[in-house]
Amino acid sequence: GAVVSQHPSRVICKSGTSVKIECRSLDFQATTMFWYRQFPKKSLMLMATSNEGSKATYEQGVEKDKFLINHASLTLSTLTVTSAHPEDSSFYICSARDRALAKNIQYFGAGTRLSVL
Amino acid sequence: GQNIDQPTEMTATEGAIVQINCTYQTSGFNGLFWYQQHAGEAPTFLSYNVLDGLEEKGRFSSFLSRSKGYSYLLLKELQMKDSASYLCAGWDSNYQLIWGAGTKLIIKP
Repeated sequence: GAVVSQHPSRVICKSGTSVKIECRSLDFQATTMFWYRQFPKKSLMLMATSNEGSKATYEQGVEKDKFLINHASLTLSTLTVTSAHPEDSSFYICSARDRALAKNIQYFGAGTRLSVL
Repeated sequence: GQNIDQPTEMTATEGAIVQINCTYQTSGFNGLFWYQQHAGEAPTFLSYNVLDGLEEKGRFSSFLSRSKGYSYLLLKELQMKDSASYLCAGWDSNYQLIWGAGTKLIIKP
């Protein structure tokens, strides 16, 4: 199956700092990438949908100025958590959809566990 | 509204068979996915059904009935490593995935 690389896998940072998470599709072109957040024992919560070369579409309740998304190419999207606070601590997962029309599957990165002190 | 329902938790015995059900209500329908997620890890793709019927893939099979808004994931010859959460997700008319809360499957020896 297709591979989505997400980096870093774990981040511990101080309150007020910014953290950047990268998501790369390694062996396919991803027209669309998705950023999810997951709390313990809960399902995935979609934060935003990112299309290459255009602005991300944020879900209701997600602050676009706090969670900056850049989808610069067909293989790379980044999520920057700006001025992180302890309540931003969570498991962030990116997902990419194969560009080929016949392939509708979303592949997930390994996730980034963010801990804000 | 859009909704995906699946049981919160199930328990089964090693070597047995278990069926995890999922019912969905989506605005339009472009298929249904099953993902496996081990604790602390990201989901991994298991199956995708867009037509009615059963799709078999090794020990795992997935079934879809579009008229009933129903799907199930069947796991055979259960192994301890199958202990995980199983997420059902429906694809709506805008090609957005609507996620269920997940079913935590506990396998006992």
